[in-house]
Amino acid sequence: AQSVTQLDSHVSVSEGTPVLLRCNYSSSYSPSLFWYVQHPNKGLQLLLKYTSAATLVKGINGFEAEFKKSETSFHLTKPSAHMSDAAEYFCVVSDQANYGGSQGNLIFGKGTKLSVKP
Amino acid sequence: EAGVTQFPSHSVIEKGQTVTLRCDPISGHDNLYWYRRVMGKEIKFLLHFVKESKQDESGMPNNRFLAERTGGTYSTLKVQPAELEDSGVYFCASSQRDRGSGGYTFGSGTRLTVV
Repeated sequence: AQSVTQLDSHVSVSEGTPVLLRCNYSSSYSPSLFWYVQHPNKGLQLLLKYTSAATLVKGINGFEAEFKKSETSFHLTKPSAHMSDAAEYFCVVSDQANYGGSQGNLIFGKGTKLSVKP
Repeated sequence: EAGVTQFPSHSVIEKGQTVTLRCDPISGHDNLYWYRRVMGKEIKFLLHFVKESKQDESGMPNNRFLAERTGGTYSTLKVQPAELEDSGVYFCASSQRDRGSGGYTFGSGTRLTVV
């Protein structure tokens, strides 16, 4: 069965410094992986997704993630944090095992809350 | 285009009462999903509609939960009777394409508190 583990429940950075949110996945299949973000009182927004094309995936707002099969990781990074990046971030894998192909439910990690200090 | 709308945004009810959550998907989206996040836990899949039909309801926790999508437009999720463990945030999402592609649009969620 597929799963994701977000290694940090809370990350705090200073504005202008790099952001690293860590995610490891477990999958018997070639996974589809995503990062979602939830700002306070907002819906979940797709930041980026990996679907077996380029291993370095660029998303919105300057975020990117690198798929590393050997390390089963899909860490989210950003070179310079902004105050507006403060939110909760979710690493997600698509549960392809039950349905095969590209279909499946989304399996979420527990989330990482990012705080950005001025 | 308008996003996915959920209401109410918050609901506080007593144990044993009934609550109905509503989700209005993006117009034209055939796929509608419900997910739930219980306090301190992961967001988990509840069920998936394609138009008015339940495609997959494997995540529904028990028969106190009833989801409907009459006419293939908006959906309701009723909890009857509510229990304390039902507290959490209920998310709705819609998409045009297959699930798993990540092309969902999520609503802001309904925060349900059962006291």
